[in-house]
Amino acid sequence: DGGITQSPKYLFRKEGQNVTLSCEQNLNHDAMYWYRQDPGQGLRLIYYSQIVNDFQKGDIAEGYSVSREKKESFPLTVTSAQKNPTAFYLCASSILSAKVYGYTFGSGTRLTVV
Amino acid sequence: AQTVTQSQPEMSVQEAETVTLSCTYDTSESDYYLFWYKQPPSRQMILVIRQEAYKQQNATENRFSVNFQKAAKSFSLKISDSQLGDAAMYFCAYTGSGNTPLVFGKGTRLSVIA
Repeated sequence: DGGITQSPKYLFRKEGQNVTLSCEQNLNHDAMYWYRQDPGQGLRLIYYSQIVNDFQKGDIAEGYSVSREKKESFPLTVTSAQKNPTAFYLCASSILSAKVYGYTFGSGTRLTVV
Repeated sequence: AQTVTQSQPEMSVQEAETVTLSCTYDTSESDYYLFWYKQPPSRQMILVIRQEAYKQQNATENRFSVNFQKAAKSFSLKISDSQLGDAAMYFCAYTGSGNTPLVFGKGTRLSVIA
């Protein structure tokens, strides 16, 4: 079955560490997105990519980095520069124009700083 | 920048009754697309309904329908015959006519009372 897979489901980070969240899709979608979800804040866009080897900053990109070396994969690294990384992270994908069908979402990663 | 506002952080409804969730948006575009997503306790995001701004007819999907008022920039979701499984966070989202990411509101938490 086609879908989008995020791993791990839960992740713990120590102060000063970088951690990487995985997002893989087999839907042949061109575009992939990372959102952060905090209580009462909705979904805020971190980064998105519409083509391999290219990506764009979203509204809250500071302290995060991404890569898009393969069409299927769009990992997100939470760096030590992100001062408040505890949140629920959602990855999504779509055909190039998301307006047509909207997004397919992964099941999310809960990141906690310990 | 486009913004999406959901003014009701929480709502409740009796089982089998009807409830309406509000969403307003701000845009200068004439062609755009609106979505409602559901996030149950599993946190898996599910597309509920989609509306194209140039279509006058309100979208419907089984018990879910929208009241799209373009001039007022309003896009409310009506859930009829509410069921316990409808309990979830509901997010309204917007995207314009280009290949732009979705912009989400902060969400409305819906409780269904048996």
